[in-house]
Amino acid sequence: GENVEQHPSTLSVQEGDSAVIKCTYSDSASNYFPWYKQELGKRPQLIIDIRSNVGEKKDQRIAVTLNKTAKHFSLHITETQPEDSAVYFCAVNSGGYQKVTFGIGTKLQVIP
Amino acid sequence: DVKVTQSSRYLVKRTGEKVFLECVQDMDHENMFWYRQDPGLGLRLIYFSYDVKMKEKGDIPEGYSVSREKKERFSLILESASTNQTSMYLCASSQNGGGTDEQYFGPGTRLTVT
Repeated sequence: GENVEQHPSTLSVQEGDSAVIKCTYSDSASNYFPWYKQELGKRPQLIIDIRSNVGEKKDQRIAVTLNKTAKHFSLHITETQPEDSAVYFCAVNSGGYQKVTFGIGTKLQVIP
Repeated sequence: DVKVTQSSRYLVKRTGEKVFLECVQDMDHENMFWYRQDPGLGLRLIYFSYDVKMKEKGDIPEGYSVSREKKERFSLILESASTNQTSMYLCASSQNGGGTDEQYFGPGTRLTVT
């Protein structure tokens, strides 16, 4: 099955700095790459996704980049704020288009 | 606004008990999923369903079964609970295939098996 590696597992940044989380995957047929944010004690929620026909997508302070040749994609958060503190999960579709495989998560701490 | 609800937030069961976790979504979504979440392991798919009475094994189906008799409801069953099934269980639903569309998660059920 699909193998998704995510790193780092923990990340601490000063407020206002940027944060980058990276994921690699194994299945070259994968074409959907969502990112979910899970705040402490809450459910995961989609924050941004990208499909393989584009290389980059932005939504305000959040961006995702995709390199299909190298089979990796990254989440970029600029001008981090304390409310960005959460666990972030990358995911990749696998097994056809019915499901996604999640990375292990990155715990981001933004220090005020 | 999509709402996915789960029957319990916290559950404590004894080893060997049969456990039912229920999930209900109110957006007429075709697809429903059960995950377990463990520290350092992320979200791992147990089972999913893309239609009523249809089910597919995920990555860690051993020790679990599921039931989907109605479109809005997806149940996870632990036939004989064991301590290694202590975990957070998350249900999710999506309109289109889960591999091409946003998944909406429930609040989770923290199950402790003693």
